[in-house]
Amino acid sequence: GEDVEQSLFLSVREGDSSVINCTYTDSSSTYLYWYKQEPGAGLQLLTYIFSNMDMKQDQRLTVLLNKKDKHLSLRIADTQTGDSAIYFCAESILTNFNKFYFGSGTKLNVKP
Amino acid sequence: EAQVTQNPRYLITVTGKKLTVTCSQNMNHEYMSWYRQDPGLGLRQIYYSMNVEVTDKGDVPEGYKVSRKEKRNFPLILESPSPNQTSLYFCASRGTSGRVGGSNEQFFGPGTRLTVL
Repeated sequence: GEDVEQSLFLSVREGDSSVINCTYTDSSSTYLYWYKQEPGAGLQLLTYIFSNMDMKQDQRLTVLLNKKDKHLSLRIADTQTGDSAIYFCAESILTNFNKFYFGSGTKLNVKP
Repeated sequence: EAQVTQNPRYLITVTGKKLTVTCSQNMNHEYMSWYRQDPGLGLRQIYYSMNVEVTDKGDVPEGYKVSRKEKRNFPLILESPSPNQTSLYFCASRGTSGRVGGSNEQFFGPGTRLTVL
């Protein structure tokens, strides 16, 4: 399968910005996603970006895509304690939209 | 309320005893999928289904079976569970069939925590 990699942990203070990074290997990626998983819950789609875009902004969330480096990032502005969760990067590829590849998840800890 | 439901939510069983985890969605979605989540490995796709009677393997299908006899249901079957199938399992569904231009958003169930002794 494809490799999607993320760092495992990130700790920030409330009110700061958080930046969660992800790298992927397949250059034919079509959609790249960010999901949030709160304790004991399933995954919730936060945002996604199509591979012909460089940036997408949605309220406090900014997604940046660097296709040359195969690097995706999620920036959360004004991070709140309610943002504490595990964040997963995922991709689906051009040759099969029905297969999804997830990173290992980044656990974000927001300190008051 | 639009949702994906899974049953049971928790299951402890023994090696070799066949089990089925059910998944149902009420959104009339064509696409459904099963994942397992393991620490440090993220989610890995087991099987997916693009419509009734159409299923295909994901990345880790060994030891699992699925069926899609009705659009709303997509059960995951473990014929002879083994301890390495101890994991957290998620079912997901999606409305589009994967056309470029759609959001491709998947809706996830709450998860089933399976322990095989």
